[in-house]
Amino acid sequence: GESVGLHLPTLSVQEGDNSIINCAYSNSASDYFIWYKQESGKGPQFIIDIRSNMDKRQGQRVTVLLNKTVKHLSLQIAATQPGDSAVYFCAENIGGRGSNYKLTFGKGTLLTVNP
Amino acid sequence: DGGITQSPKYLFRKEGQNVTLSCEQNLNHDAMYWYRQDPGQGLRLIYYSQIVNDFQKGDIAEGYSVSREKKESFPLTVTSAQKNPTAFYLCASSRTPGQGNSPLHFGNGTRLTVT
Repeated sequence: GESVGLHLPTLSVQEGDNSIINCAYSNSASDYFIWYKQESGKGPQFIIDIRSNMDKRQGQRVTVLLNKTVKHLSLQIAATQPGDSAVYFCAENIGGRGSNYKLTFGKGTLLTVNP
Repeated sequence: DGGITQSPKYLFRKEGQNVTLSCEQNLNHDAMYWYRQDPGQGLRLIYYSQIVNDFQKGDIAEGYSVSREKKESFPLTVTSAQKNPTAFYLCASSRTPGQGNSPLHFGNGTRLTVT
């Protein structure tokens, strides 16, 4: 089966709250991870990525945390807004440097932000 | 502005007909990819190309064909041999794989319905 999965298929939060979306992976050789946001009827949009030599990376309102000990990846969204409502999924690269074709994608978590 | 353009957005075909999905990018990326997305499943790789005039089968290449005659273009043909062609098809591109891992940039997809 897939080595990338999600703890929660759906997540509902209030506007202004922080959101945390989780992703588990099973391949300890994975060295590159990406989070994508996909709105209905559109293609996935890159949010943030992280390499295995890091455990945290911050972007605008988003933070990705990588815990290699337990093979866990999370995406934190600060002050969640209605426009953040979408499916979020993670991807891992198990192929090493220069092998984007070996990305494995999770099934996604649906985030709903209530006004 | 730079990006990936997929056309058409919606496509309807009769069973037994081949159909070609268009993908054009102006990001000057060397690598291009085709994925299939089905409800409740992660993205699955159909074909990828790391350089012009070269392409490789992905995980689910049966019933599909591609060409890469130009850097900007990577059309996908869904042949009558594909048993379950109805799906959402996503094209992506990334910078030169040899420069290290980088995120894939996706188009907004083509929804193909075969009846």
